[in-house]
Amino acid sequence: ETVMTQSPATLSVSPGERATLSCRASQSVSSNLAWYQQKPGQAPRLLIYGASTRATDIPARFSGSGSGTEFTLTISSLQSEDFAVYFCQQYNNWPPITFGQGTRLEIK
Amino acid sequence: QLQLQESGPGLVKPSETLSLTCTVSGGSISSSNYYWGWIRQPPGKGLEWIGSIYYSGTTYYNPSLKSRVTISVDTSKNEFSLNLSSVTAADTAVYYCARAAVLLWFGELLLNPSDIWGQGTMVTVSS
Repeated sequence: ETVMTQSPATLSVSPGERATLSCRASQSVSSNLAWYQQKPGQAPRLLIYGASTRATDIPARFSGSGSGTEFTLTISSLQSEDFAVYFCQQYNNWPPITFGQGTRLEIK
Repeated sequence: QLQLQESGPGLVKPSETLSLTCTVSGGSISSSNYYWGWIRQPPGKGLEWIGSIYYSGTTYYNPSLKSRVTISVDTSKNEFSLNLSSVTAADTAVYYCARAAVLLWFGELLLNPSDIWGQGTMVTVSS
């Protein structure tokens, strides 16, 4: 099983600033890596797939990078609606499809 | 617009079988482009993929749950279902159904990330 490790567990950032979230895979997942955003009481929302491709209707301030085992999600200028929990997911080595444990992005 | 809706009991007794159904509306479950899956999230914790099914009935399961999980599809009703047997308190979670597009990656079948999710249904295992 490919284990996904996200860091940090919690990130405190001020609105308007940049946020950088990390995700590491225990073995290569090529570019088959996705990022989701989840707000309280809601289902996850797909942000990024293929490590760097934004999903439909996702604002340009969200960007993804990386390949192999190291990945990054960057939110260039945080808006109030961006404070949420973010999960990475690998879909290269399956079954099973696996998720990271999440990074909570909170207002500083 | 495609929508998914989970339904089923919110409370299940230990050792019994958890049964949920996901109804697909606004589109056909028989599309050749998609798999249909279940993902769960224990309270305050992360996401766990349970398994996925194709309209033809082909299934893939998480090895950690495989001995207890059955996912089935009913194309006539445009729905698919999850059965999880011998449940314990550790199976208490929000259960989501979701759609995932088929991806052929250098000749191998992958499932794209889930782009459409149901709202989720909370299932508590307790006597």
